[in-house]
Amino acid sequence: QQQVKQSPQSLIVQKGGISIINCAYENTAFDYFPWYQQFPGKGPALLIAIRPDVSEKKEGRFTISFNKSAKQFSLHIMDSQPGDSATYFCAASSSGANSKLTFGKGITLSVRP
Amino acid sequence: NAGVTQTPKFQVLKTGQSMTLQCAQDMNHNSMYWYRQDPGMGLRLIYYSASEGTTDKGEVPNGYNVSRLNKREFSLRLESAAPSQTSVYFCASSLSGAADYEQYFGPGTRLTVT
Repeated sequence: QQQVKQSPQSLIVQKGGISIINCAYENTAFDYFPWYQQFPGKGPALLIAIRPDVSEKKEGRFTISFNKSAKQFSLHIMDSQPGDSATYFCAASSSGANSKLTFGKGITLSVRP
Repeated sequence: NAGVTQTPKFQVLKTGQSMTLQCAQDMNHNSMYWYRQDPGMGLRLIYYSASEGTTDKGEVPNGYNVSRLNKREFSLRLESAAPSQTSVYFCASSLSGAADYEQYFGPGTRLTVT
């Protein structure tokens, strides 16, 4: 059972456009939702994260929108740049000292010049 | 401050051979994790260690063992490598539980089993 599902599987966007990546989760105990960014040949790195007490969080060109009732959250990249071309993973976790992240399968974003 | 380091970067094994992947962090983190990344499968947790002296199975532990040697080091051992274990392996660490603190990833080990 895949607890965190991402869509689409891949995405091509023109420079300056908006990239939107969606994520759906199953476990209602999840209360922490990060997005990780991975460049080729590198390890993933935290991009932005949200908790369910807010519906939106913005950091620069990156915004997470969260819909608790639909059990969905999404990443919006405004004014997409070729340097944003990477693999993006959504993840989810419940609280606690032994908590661990469950990752989605990742999507590859290509931003065309 | 090197963050999370992994050795080796690349490794080729024959079926049945054994090896240990090494991971160390210098951020005084309590929790450490081993993931594997396969095309179309995302990041899957193999084992994790919430604190020094404890280890727990993740989603895909079969064929692997781990040792939390001390607070800094967390190794992953393949006792008898199989082609299905061909993958990129990432070690990560966090100050404490995954829901409360950012996970920092190492650069990865690319393992091929022939």
